[in-house]
Amino acid sequence: KNQVEQSPQSLIILEGKNCTLQCNYTVSPFSNLRWYKQDTGRGPVSLTIMTFSENTKSNGRYTATLDADTKQSSLHITASQLSDSASYICVVNKDSSYKLIFGSGTRLLVRP
Amino acid sequence: KAGVTQTPRYLIKTRGQQVTLSCSPISGHRSVSWYQQTPGQGLQFLFEYFSETQRNKGNFPGRFSGRQFSNSRSEMNVSTLELGDSALYLCASRREGETQYFGPGTRLLVL
Repeated sequence: KNQVEQSPQSLIILEGKNCTLQCNYTVSPFSNLRWYKQDTGRGPVSLTIMTFSENTKSNGRYTATLDADTKQSSLHITASQLSDSASYICVVNKDSSYKLIFGSGTRLLVRP
Repeated sequence: KAGVTQTPRYLIKTRGQQVTLSCSPISGHRSVSWYQQTPGQGLQFLFEYFSETQRNKGNFPGRFSGRQFSNSRSEMNVSTLELGDSALYLCASRREGETQYFGPGTRLLVL
């Protein structure tokens, strides 16, 4: 069964600290993996997209890693800011048909 | 460049009614997808339209339907509303081969 599982479900950290969010998937065949940030009441915004051959991709303070062998990805946030408080959703694109399979997200709260 | 716009932003309906949501994609984007997002189920794919034709469909009942116009604008209709249809409905548009961009969503509450 094609699934995308994220952990933890929720996370609270202090401003300035780093954190890492996890995504495990069983989707096959795999085309690409995306991380989205979704602020409360808004639509998701793409942070990174990685294909099978990419191991890491950065977008400012966000760095995503991908291990296609173990089917795991992580999103690392450096020097967190209050504006990082949001839900982070891992999405896997199955094959080339643009069938997106969504994780349930990690809700991050950054406290001052 | 304007982003994806959705109207209305908020909507309250009662059970049994029907509702139509509208989505205007980014200029030049011909693919429009619709998603339902609920706290319990997360984001779930409803359907995708491309050049006025439904190209992909998720696992939702026939009460959920959509269409796309020649200018790529899309509408989604839900008939005979149920309490469980309360959700954030997101529209996303993209060019072929590129990433999709989401709109702000329409929050529907069914009473």
